[in-house]
Amino acid sequence: QVQLVESGGGVVQPGRSLRLSCAASGFTFSSYAMHWVRQAPGKGLEWVAGVSYDGNNKYYRDSVKGRCTISRDNSKNTLDLQMNSLRAEDTSLYYCARSMVGYDSDFDYWGQGTLVTVSS
Amino acid sequence: QSALTQPPSVSGSPGQSVTISCTGTNSDVGNYNRVSWYQQPPGTAPKLMIYEVSSRPSGVPDRFSGSKSGNKASLTISGLQAEDEGDYYCSSYTSSSTYVIFGGGTKVTVL
Repeated sequence: QVQLVESGGGVVQPGRSLRLSCAASGFTFSSYAMHWVRQAPGKGLEWVAGVSYDGNNKYYRDSVKGRCTISRDNSKNTLDLQMNSLRAEDTSLYYCARSMVGYDSDFDYWGQGTLVTVSS
Repeated sequence: QSALTQPPSVSGSPGQSVTISCTGTNSDVGNYNRVSWYQQPPGTAPKLMIYEVSSRPSGVPDRFSGSKSGNKASLTISGLQAEDEGDYYCSSYTSSSTYVIFGGGTKVTVL
């Protein structure tokens, strides 16, 4: 069955960096676009970044452009999010999500999330 | 870009129907049939309930239906059941630089 397992979250000081990872299994990873979606404590969902199935196209929300880099390794079935210059407003539960084939903005599988807390 | 607009809460008795609205703009909901709905019970990850305005993934009961008119999309839950409680979020592709925009979420309560 499809599984997405995030890791890499933790408590980090403002201005520091963190790298999140998502290990995928149970499907042909290289055929699907992938995304990161976050949810601040008690708040709604917020799309962060996405990457095409082959890694050639990457998309970011404005507030993380220049600070975050999404990448994937189709040989290892992993998705990463490198986050630099972290801010308090980046504090969230970060979900890895899979797009449906042919429907890149519809997310049919989600991981359980990894929590990032930015605090001094 | 601001989030899509959803009512904070809706409620209904078991067996009743409830409808959640999701209002966007011509840059998202109004110009693309790429609206999705997600259910999120407390403490769990979101689950896709509707995609492309009105399509249901396999395993989602046909009590859940979606529609769209102009800049407003809607999710209707018919024959409300206790297990339907949770937060519901709409989302849409957007031609803005954001790519995907979510609504603020609607809490569904079964009375």
